[in-house]
Amino acid sequence: GAVVSQHPSRVICKSGTSVKIECRSLDFQATTMFWYRQFPKQSLMLMATSNEGSKATYEQGVEKDKFLINHASLTLSTLTVTSAHPEDSSFYICSASQGRRSSYNEQFFGPGTRLTVL
Amino acid sequence: DAKTTQPNSMESNEEEPVHLPCNHSTISGTDYIHWYRQLPSQGPEYVIHGLTSNVNNRMASLAIAEDRKSSTLILHRATLRDAAVYYCILRDHYGGSQGNLIFGKGTKLSVKP
Repeated sequence: GAVVSQHPSRVICKSGTSVKIECRSLDFQATTMFWYRQFPKQSLMLMATSNEGSKATYEQGVEKDKFLINHASLTLSTLTVTSAHPEDSSFYICSASQGRRSSYNEQFFGPGTRLTVL
Repeated sequence: DAKTTQPNSMESNEEEPVHLPCNHSTISGTDYIHWYRQLPSQGPEYVIHGLTSNVNNRMASLAIAEDRKSSTLILHRATLRDAAVYYCILRDHYGGSQGNLIFGKGTKLSVKP
């Protein structure tokens, strides 16, 4: 099956700093990538959807200036949490699919990144 | 996307079959039924999906009610590695949606040795 990797797997940072999380599709071209956030004992919440070469579409309540998403190539998307605060501490998960967001294509999930903001 | 209802948790013994139910009474004609699972501290993993007919793969079986208002994920012989949160999700394959998956709370499956 298709493989999606994330880096780093966990990161601890000080409040006010920015953190970049990478999501890569290793053996396929990911036209669409999704970013989710999961707080402890809760389900995954979609943050944003991005098609390669286009601006990301953010879900309601997600600040686009705080969570910067770049999908510059068909195998790489990055999520930058700017000026991170303790309430941003969470498990961030990306997924990737080969199709455009308007049509069905199976999503393949990365292993997640655990962010802890002190 | 239509909503699904699953029990919060279930327990199983190792080597025994497990039947995980999902209710989706407002399912539309073009909604596929997807199952994903999430092991602790990992990203979700695809398990199986179907439309009307029962489906089998190497991981599990999916039994879909004739009226499609409910479905059951069947793990034929549970192992300790099957302990996870199982999500039942409806997805419209024919446009009109964002392409994203909407995760509910899922069922936390515990497997006892």
